[in-house]
Amino acid sequence: EPEVTQTPSHQVTQMGQEVILRCVPISNHLYFYWYRQILGQKVEFLVSFYNNEISEKSEIFDDQFSVERPDGSNFTLKIRSTKLEDSAMYFCASSEALLGAFFGQGTRLTVV
Amino acid sequence: GENVEQHPSTLSVQEGDSAVIKCTYSDSASNYFPWYKQELGKRPQLIIDIRSNVGEKKDQRIAVTLNKTAKHFSLHITETQPEDSAVYFCAAMLRSSASKIIFGSGTRLSIRP
Repeated sequence: EPEVTQTPSHQVTQMGQEVILRCVPISNHLYFYWYRQILGQKVEFLVSFYNNEISEKSEIFDDQFSVERPDGSNFTLKIRSTKLEDSAMYFCASSEALLGAFFGQGTRLTVV
Repeated sequence: GENVEQHPSTLSVQEGDSAVIKCTYSDSASNYFPWYKQELGKRPQLIIDIRSNVGEKKDQRIAVTLNKTAKHFSLHITETQPEDSAVYFCAAMLRSSASKIIFGSGTRLSIRP
């Protein structure tokens, strides 16, 4: 069964450093998302992406964040200057149509 | 924007009994309601969904109901089993906007043997 894959599974970075989280959505899916989940809390929407542009973003998704689909398969989330409070599990998700999204296994980002 | 409230935050039921998780949403334009199950340390997994033109949907031991007028929707798990123990999230989405799924705060379901 096809699934969304994310790399790395765990990323440790120093405060102020840039990180890039990578995702390969399911191949025939058209809608892509990034969510984050702080330990023990709910899943929070960051950004949605369709037709090579951002569809919607939350207030969390400020100028420090950017997304890109550099080729036909990858979908990346960049955090330019990480803060301690960026530590969380970041989930990529994709959906074929405007239906429930399928999530990747997540990247645990730890900012020290 | 959309806001989804979910309760209870924790629920413990005896194995074999039923579990019910309830959610409300704020945006009457929302028209799609997925439910996710998240086991410890794993990804959220879509387990069932319902569209606004349907009042109820069932898949084996799980069922969802939707009351559009009251903006309520619920997840029902019957004949609960130990493997049902997880955190369950309800969510709401406005399909026409192609944008975002807004999650509730989650319910930690524990099944007592």
